[in-house]
Amino acid sequence: DTGVSQDPRHKITKRGQNVTFRCDPISEHNRLYWYRQTLGQGPEFLTYFQNEAQLEKSRLLSDRFSAERPKGSFSTLEIQRTEQGDSAMYLCASSVAGGEQFFGPGTRLTVL
Amino acid sequence: LAKTTQPISMDSYEGQEVNITCSHNNIATNDYITWYQQFPSQGPRFIIQGYKTKVTNEVASLFIPADRKSSTLSLPRVSLSDTAVYYCLFAVNYQLIWGAGTKLIIKP
Repeated sequence: DTGVSQDPRHKITKRGQNVTFRCDPISEHNRLYWYRQTLGQGPEFLTYFQNEAQLEKSRLLSDRFSAERPKGSFSTLEIQRTEQGDSAMYLCASSVAGGEQFFGPGTRLTVL
Repeated sequence: LAKTTQPISMDSYEGQEVNITCSHNNIATNDYITWYQQFPSQGPRFIIQGYKTKVTNEVASLFIPADRKSSTLSLPRVSLSDTAVYYCLFAVNYQLIWGAGTKLIIKP
C-alpha cells in the first residue's frame, strides 16, 4: 500500500455513459497525476495538478476527459460519453515537486 | 514527437547483473530521468532517479551519459522476484513520457 487510494477499483459501463473516478493522494503531496494504461503498454500521461491548479494536460487527450482537484487534495477524473476505446486501467499518482511518484492501485474501466 | 526506445523483453538468471537501456530524444535539459518497476495488476513503483553520470541506491544503479540521450538501469544480482516490467520516464516540454517498457524474466 503506497498511501494513494483510488475508487472504484473496477467499473463496467455501457458505451455512451459518463463515469467518474476518484483519487486520494498522500496528504502532504502537492502534485497529482492521472495516467491511462492499456494491456502491454506503458502508462500514458493524461494530466497533472500542482495543488488545485491543473498545470498540464496531454495534447492527445479528448475533450470528453476532464479532471478536477478542487481543494488541492483529492481529485476526480470524468469521462463523458464513454467509448469502447476508453477501456483501460486509469492510474493516479502523487508526489512532492521533483520527487518520486507514488501510484495508487488503479481503476480498471471496461466499456461494453 | 518525443519517443523512447527500450528492448521489449529480456531474460536472465538469478544472481546475474541485468542492464536495461532506454534511449530518449528531445529530453528536457533540466529534467530527471526516472525508472519504475511494475508487477501485474499493480501501479508502477519507483526504483531510481538521476540527472547525469551515475546514481546508486540500495536496489539499483543508473548510468546517464553526458549527452543524456540514453540511460541504463543496472540491477545487481537479480532474483526471481525481479521479474517485472521496467519503464523509463522523462519529461519533454512538460509532458511526461514513459517508455514502452521492458519485460524482464528471471529464471532459476
